[in-house]
Amino acid sequence: DTGVSQDPRHKITKRGQNVTFRCDPISEHNRLYWYRQTLGQGPEFLTYFQNEAQLEKSRLLSDRFSAERPKGSFSTLEIQRTEQGDSAMYLCASTPTSSTDTQYFGPGTRLTVL
Amino acid sequence: AQSVTQLGSHVSVSEGALVLLRCNYSSSVPPYLFWYVQYPNQGLQLLLKYTSAATLVKGINGFEAEFKKSETSFHLTKPSAHMSDAAEYFCAVSYTNAGKSTFGDGTTLTVKP
Repeated sequence: DTGVSQDPRHKITKRGQNVTFRCDPISEHNRLYWYRQTLGQGPEFLTYFQNEAQLEKSRLLSDRFSAERPKGSFSTLEIQRTEQGDSAMYLCASTPTSSTDTQYFGPGTRLTVL
Repeated sequence: AQSVTQLGSHVSVSEGALVLLRCNYSSSVPPYLFWYVQYPNQGLQLLLKYTSAATLVKGINGFEAEFKKSETSFHLTKPSAHMSDAAEYFCAVSYTNAGKSTFGDGTTLTVKP
């Protein structure tokens, strides 16, 4: 068990550029979550998948944001036409859909939009 | 709708002193409650969770929390602070075991030697 991994760990981009982040959950974890954490605040839910199906999206997830989990394993989060307000830590978590309720978090991707 | 309020964005204690981090929640259904710790530039690590079993929950690193329904609280305590406890702590609530969580804004714990 290598834990949840995220790539890249840091991303600096200019306003208006597109960025894509990757999350690799713990093997065989069915559910995968994306959260956004801005400075001084707790994580805010963005979206989650059960296997390859995206079951819920927050209203925070504007049209510029899209997430996929094509084969029910890794997931990508893309932000198009980035804005300075998108600067945040993007956290991924996974959990099995069994009796356990622990969400295992990755180290996050810190995005800075200049 | 569910929400979490953490009272005190910064808490400072001396090494060996009691740690008390406060968390109040609102939920229209019986909640699942969690405490996480986050060290700089790292993800969140689960300290403990309440899932409608025992109201006093023991977690890792000597932390525990008590669910008090009448007070809608889930405060985190540790009898004796250690320097390594310095970190940011988040309280979270969810409706279901494996559902999305709503987090508080966090409390930064400083431990003075």
